[in-house]
Amino acid sequence: DSGVTQTPKHLITATGQRVTLRCSPRSGDLSVYWYQQSLDQGLQFLIQYYNGEERAKGNILERFSAQQFPDLHSELNLSSLELGDSALYFCASTETSGGAWETQYFGPGTRLLVL
Amino acid sequence: DQQVKQNSPSLSVQEGRISILNCDYTNSMFDYFLWYKKYPAEGPTFLISISSIKDKNEDGRFTVFLNKSAKHLSLHIVPSQPGDSAVYFCAASPYSGAGSYQLTFGKGTKLSVIP
Repeated sequence: DSGVTQTPKHLITATGQRVTLRCSPRSGDLSVYWYQQSLDQGLQFLIQYYNGEERAKGNILERFSAQQFPDLHSELNLSSLELGDSALYFCASTETSGGAWETQYFGPGTRLLVL
Repeated sequence: DQQVKQNSPSLSVQEGRISILNCDYTNSMFDYFLWYKKYPAEGPTFLISISSIKDKNEDGRFTVFLNKSAKHLSLHIVPSQPGDSAVYFCAASPYSGAGSYQLTFGKGTKLSVIP
């Protein structure tokens, strides 16, 4: 158990809909990272938040947005969903703002299926 | 354009033998490399890392080798155990100092260790 929790574990929805994925980092960790893993693909970095502020942005679509709340949990919002958004979404956390030596601890992921 | 490539989607090895997982990268800015292991229904977990100033790093049964000139790294597992059966992801980062950084992942290699 990494200490990172993600809810829900599974989500099935329809095209055009909007969903929210939730992540609680390890106790004391200030940074949260979101990744997308599509079928047969590696993990694609989406976005990082550090202590409530956006720190880095990767290949995140404009239809996607995220935020980190004062209690440090984070939410990833996916809107106008398309079939291609079906994927595993992982959240990870680190203690500080992130250096290459800092181990990222991953949650178990949320599997999203868009029908 | 895949910057981190794991060209073998799968690998089968007999228990007790050596497992060698390979990874190639194209971005010359990468200077920190990591391996993550992932079991089904779980998030990736950090295994071992190496900085570009080194060419080898060992941790128990796991050794990572880095050949910067060839832009190639490999993970050796000796001896392989059935519990090592998992998907292994190679990841790279352009930073080895403090501050925000992004991990770029390969697609993964599924290792099966046969008893």
